[in-house]
Amino acid sequence: GQQLNQSPQSMFIQEGEDVSMNCTSSSIFNTWLWYKQDPGEGPVLLIALYKAGELTSNGRLTAQFGITRKDSFLNISASIPSDVGIYFCAGQLGGSEKLVFGKGTKLTVNP
Amino acid sequence: DAGVIQSPRHEVTEMGQEVTLRCKPISGHDYLFWYRQTMMRGLELLIYFNNNVPIDDSGMPEDRFSAKMPNASFSTLKIQPSEPRDSAVYFCASSLWEGSTYEQYFGPGTRLTVT
Repeated sequence: GQQLNQSPQSMFIQEGEDVSMNCTSSSIFNTWLWYKQDPGEGPVLLIALYKAGELTSNGRLTAQFGITRKDSFLNISASIPSDVGIYFCAGQLGGSEKLVFGKGTKLTVNP
Repeated sequence: DAGVIQSPRHEVTEMGQEVTLRCKPISGHDYLFWYRQTMMRGLELLIYFNNNVPIDDSGMPEDRFSAKMPNASFSTLKIQPSEPRDSAVYFCASSLWEGSTYEQYFGPGTRLTVT
């Protein structure tokens, strides 16, 4: 089946630092979504991207839909302790209602 | 607005018992998805419905798993008989297909432990 390669697998950073993570695929996607999952909770949608090259922000979060439509990036600026969690990318293939998920990036922020 | 509601939040059962997980999607959404999450396999899509009709159940692991959606506001995922390897967190998600936009919203999940 389709796979998304999400990296890095985990990150340990100091409060105030900026964070970058990305997802790549061999397939072209119509939509890219970024989710955050806190322990014991379901994934929460952070940002949705619909056009190649699109750059979208949500507070300190900025995500981009890669120009090739095969990748996406998520940046978090000035990290804070509540940014801790697992971040997932998800892609939607054309003609399908299903999402393909990455394995997640576990973020730890040291105060 | 209420999000996706799942119950129970936690379920502990013995091997061989029947387990039923419940989901109420966001009102007005026309798609409902059941996922399973484990450390080893990540998030796996089990089955999804469109307007209460099952569209793709290719992710259902075996015949012990079944899902129904009797109406637009309720769905169940049943495991009978349950086995220890079914232990996982099960999520329900819903979405509204609007042509150019597509977003899935997840419930809080049901943590299932089969002993």
